[in-house]
Amino acid sequence: EPEVTQTPSHQVTQMGQEVILRCVPISNHLYFYWYRQILGQKVEFLVSFYNNEISEKSEIFDDQFSVERPDGSNFTLKIRSTKLEDSAMYFCASSWTSGQPNPSTDTQYFGPGTRLTVL
Amino acid sequence: GENVEQHPSTLSVQEGDSAVIKCTYSDSASNYFPWYKQELGKRPQLIIDIRSNVGEKKDQRIAVTLNKTAKHFSLHITETQPEDSAVYFCAARGYQKVTFGTGTKLQVIP
Repeated sequence: EPEVTQTPSHQVTQMGQEVILRCVPISNHLYFYWYRQILGQKVEFLVSFYNNEISEKSEIFDDQFSVERPDGSNFTLKIRSTKLEDSAMYFCASSWTSGQPNPSTDTQYFGPGTRLTVL
Repeated sequence: GENVEQHPSTLSVQEGDSAVIKCTYSDSASNYFPWYKQELGKRPQLIIDIRSNVGEKKDQRIAVTLNKTAKHFSLHITETQPEDSAVYFCAARGYQKVTFGTGTKLQVIP
C-alpha cells in the first residue's frame, strides 16, 4: 500500500538556522499538508497546498515558514530562522481530493514525521 | 475557527471492557470527523471516520456516533484488547484544515 514518506526522521539544528523538511506524498494525491505536534500535545494544522499554491494556513504558519513543491514528487517545509519553540514533530499528509462527499478520496494520510530539535 | 474539545484526557479500562471517548466541535460548517490512533513515537493512523450526513458508523469493534445538532461525536471501542492502548485523537474538518482534539490516552489493563 502506498505511504507518505518523510526525511530526515530526526533533525537537530541550532537556533537561527534554516531547516528544510522533506516529504514525498502518495503519488496520485493532489492535496498536501503540514502539521506539527509539540511533545505531549495535540496535532496542529500548519498549511495546505494545492495546485502549486497555499490554499489554507493557520496562524502558526507565519513568515518564517514556507512550502514548496520543487518537482513532481517532493513537498518541502522550510523554516527560515528556527526558534526553540519550533522543536516538534512535523507531519506531512496528503489526500487525493479535499472537502468532497465521496468517501475515502479525501482521507488525509500521514507520513511518519520528522522530529525537529532546535538547540 | 474550529475548536475541538475531547474528554477524557486519560482512560484506563480492563481488557474486554468498553471504552468511550467524547468530543465536541464548534464550527457547524465541519462535515467530516476522523478518529486517529497514535502509538508512541509514530504517525497518527486513521481508524474510522464519519461524515455529517451519517449518524453512526461501525467497523468491527469500533463505532462512531455523530450528533450534528449538539455538535457531539463519540468513539466507542468494545471488547478492548491490550493492543488498543494508545493515544486517540478526534478531529473535525470543513474544507481542508483538520482540527484535532487534545487526545485521550487509553490504557487497556490485561
